[in-house]
Amino acid sequence: AQTVTQSQPEMSVQEAETVTLSCTYDTSENNYYLFWYKQPPSRQMILVIRQEAYKQQNATENRFSVNFQKAAKSFSLKISDSQLGDTAMYFCAFIEAGNMLTFGGGTRLMVKP
Amino acid sequence: NAGVTQTPKFRVLKTGQSMTLLCAQDMNHEYMYWYRQDPGMGLRLIHYSVGEGTTAKGEVPDGYNVSRLKKQNFLLGLESAAPSQTSVYFCASSLFSGDEQFFGPGTRLTVL
Repeated sequence: AQTVTQSQPEMSVQEAETVTLSCTYDTSENNYYLFWYKQPPSRQMILVIRQEAYKQQNATENRFSVNFQKAAKSFSLKISDSQLGDTAMYFCAFIEAGNMLTFGGGTRLMVKP
Repeated sequence: NAGVTQTPKFRVLKTGQSMTLLCAQDMNHEYMYWYRQDPGMGLRLIHYSVGEGTTAKGEVPDGYNVSRLKKQNFLLGLESAAPSQTSVYFCASSLFSGDEQFFGPGTRLTVL
């Protein structure tokens, strides 16, 4: 069974600072996809960033970047210049080809002014 | 372009009642999914569909049925609701299995 582990249930960061959220996963496959989704208080699930396992280059989207360590099965999310609107639950998710998307338990991030 | 919409947004049922949740997408996606999210947890897959007329079980399918008669619609049914089915239900769609999933706004269901 696929497993995704987010070891930090809650984190906080000061506005304008940088924070890193951790995620590890378990797989024996070589081809898969990894995601970070954000869920603000509105409850809407929003894609933050997507990484294809065969690509060695880490994905980036503006202030959001990942550190993808394939051998270690680690996929952390770095948020730079944190903003109050980044306050949300963040879910790491993983899918192997032909399988189902599996979510981690989430990390609640609070950005403090 | 409305994306993914869900009907209704809220619903309260009594134990044993039945209901159907409707999901619609206008992005011509092949894949559609139903998830449930319980307090403080991530999403768990109930059922999914890889195309019109097809459905498959996810991680937590018991007590639910689904149908995909039209490509743009994916229905989730509860035949006899139980308090354990109190949850927030999300529908999602994607172009292929490894692509971004687009989510609806969710339906909060309470079973008394």
